Order: sequence, then C-alpha cells, then structure tokens
Amino acid sequence: GDSVTQMEGPVTLSEEAFLTINCTYTATGYPSLFWYVQYPGEGLQLLLKATKADDKGSNKGFEATYRKETTSFHLEKGSVQVSDSAVYFCALLNQAGTALIFGKGTTLSVSS
Amino acid sequence: NAGVTQTPKFQVLKTGQSMTLQCAQDMNHEYMSWYRQDPGMGLRLIHYSVGAGITDQGEVPNGYNVSRSTTEDFPLRLLSAAPSQTSVYFCASLPSRPPGELFFGEGSRLTVL
Repeated sequence: GDSVTQMEGPVTLSEEAFLTINCTYTATGYPSLFWYVQYPGEGLQLLLKATKADDKGSNKGFEATYRKETTSFHLEKGSVQVSDSAVYFCALLNQAGTALIFGKGTTLSVSS
Repeated sequence: NAGVTQTPKFQVLKTGQSMTLQCAQDMNHEYMSWYRQDPGMGLRLIHYSVGAGITDQGEVPNGYNVSRSTTEDFPLRLLSAAPSQTSVYFCASLPSRPPGELFFGEGSRLTVL
C-alpha cells in the first residue's frame, strides 16, 4: 500500500542554519504530495504542496520539489528561525483522492 | 466560520467503557477522516468516508466504528476502550477540489486507564 518515509528526528539547528528534511514515498502512480506543520500545542496545518512531477511548492521560505525519479519530496529552508521549531509531516494523497497518508513526522528544534 | 469541530477535547475512560468522539464540519466537504497521533508514529488513518452512507477502513481500524449519516457529521465510536487506544485523535475534512488540503479539528486527547 501507499506509504511515506521521513528522516528520523529530532533535528537540532542553530538560527539561520540550512534545513533539509528528507521524505520519500511509495505509491501507485504520481500522487499529490504535501508538507504539514504542527506547532507546539496546536493542530496540523498545510505548509506547502505539489500536485505533479517537477512542481515546486513553497511557503514561508520553505520549499519542496516533487521528484518522480527518486520518489522524493524533501523539505528545505535556507535560513531557519526559532519560530520554525515544530513537527513537520510529509504526506501523500491516496490514489482515490479521499484521504492523506502521513509519515511519522520530524521534530525540528531551532535555538538562538 | 467553524470549520471542523471535535468534542470532547479531553476524556478519561476506564478499560472496557465505550464512548463516541463527535466530529462535525460546516464546509460541505465530501470526504472526512479520523486519525490518531502517537509519539514516534505520526498520524495514522483509522477510518474515512467519501460521502453520506459510505465509510472505509484505514491503516488502524480495529477497535473503532464509524458511520456517516449526514455530510456534516462523522462520529468515531470506541465500543470497549483499551489502554492501547490512549492517543490524540484528529478529525479532518477534505474537499474533492483542490486536492489534498485537509482541514483538521483541534484534536481530542483520550486516556484509557
């Protein structure tokens, strides 16, 4: 079945460091891909998405490019801030388009 | 603009008790789903629904029942609670277009003693 694999955390960075969180997927066809973020004590919210191969999703300085050759959707940010500390989830839309399948999440901690 | 409303926010149960987590959405979304979130396990899909009267199992359906009598409501039932069901539960709704932007409820923290 469909699945998402994320790099294990926690990821600990200093402010202004470069961030990469790896995400790969297994699915039939080319599913839409997403990154969701969960700030401490809150629910999940959509960070960015890409619906077809080679699309780049971007939001709040974060970017991710849909790579069908490597079945990957890695999240990057050039300069992280303390306020970026959160749990990041990679997800794919199932083939029927009716539900999302999530990875296990990666905790990011940024210190000043 | 309520979005997705879940109740209760917190609940403590004893093993073997039953309860229902309520979920309602006012966005006329076709698809709704229930997830549980556990440390180190991410969000796992329990059940989902593609419309009134139609439900299907997700990754971890055992011990849970759902029904979808209206577009708006999608309750999750625990018939005989077990400590392994201690978790945070999220209800979500999903429009058919644009694809994939889930709207989450605020979550329900359930503890089974």
